[in-house]
Amino acid sequence: SQQGEEDPQALSIQEGENATMNCSYKTSINNLQWYRQNSGRGLVHLILIRSNEREKHSGRLRVTLDTSKKSSSLLITASRAADTASYFCATDEIQGAQKLVFGQGTRLTINP
Amino acid sequence: GAGVSQTPSNKVTEKGKYVELRCDPISGHTALYWYRQSLGQGPEFLIYFQGTGAADDSGLPNDRFFAVRPEGSVSTLKIQRTERGDSAVYLCASSLVGGLGNIQYFGAGTRLSVL
Repeated sequence: SQQGEEDPQALSIQEGENATMNCSYKTSINNLQWYRQNSGRGLVHLILIRSNEREKHSGRLRVTLDTSKKSSSLLITASRAADTASYFCATDEIQGAQKLVFGQGTRLTINP
Repeated sequence: GAGVSQTPSNKVTEKGKYVELRCDPISGHTALYWYRQSLGQGPEFLIYFQGTGAADDSGLPNDRFFAVRPEGSVSTLKIQRTERGDSAVYLCASSLVGGLGNIQYFGAGTRLSVL
């Protein structure tokens, strides 16, 4: 089953703008990760944030986590055409062993 | 190899046939996962192996689906009596148990089409 919702389902912006995607989940978690998927390819891990962390940065990526609201956001700054892809949040639940539970994803299009 | 390898990349079969999908994980990764992804959706968990044993098979939709990992490395997902609803991309991932936060490394997937 899907963990929750991602918002928006699709996002189209101009190159150079910032892109923000949101994710909500339903259960208590150990960690939350964001993955990227180019069309027809496998998923690539971007960033992981632990349940006791509130914010994390990696290059042009900024992730926030609010466990009280069971939500996370991914910000991509200074977007590039190559950032065009689908982005998924994934959680591993405290009671869920090792499996990841994915959101439905946000389809991001960066227009040159 | 350097990454997770899945074969075939595409599989077209007829309703009722049997199919096998193969996954070759990253060398040294003891954990292996199978997910299924339908068009426009996120991946959904099927089964997780730790070594040779299935530690969690709660995501397998029914008894037509079965997976093995006999030597703790390569895994095969087997689907009997395929149905059109089985059409999806089947993704395999591997990870180091005890590694940072269960980061999983995905293969490119097998696109299964049941006609």
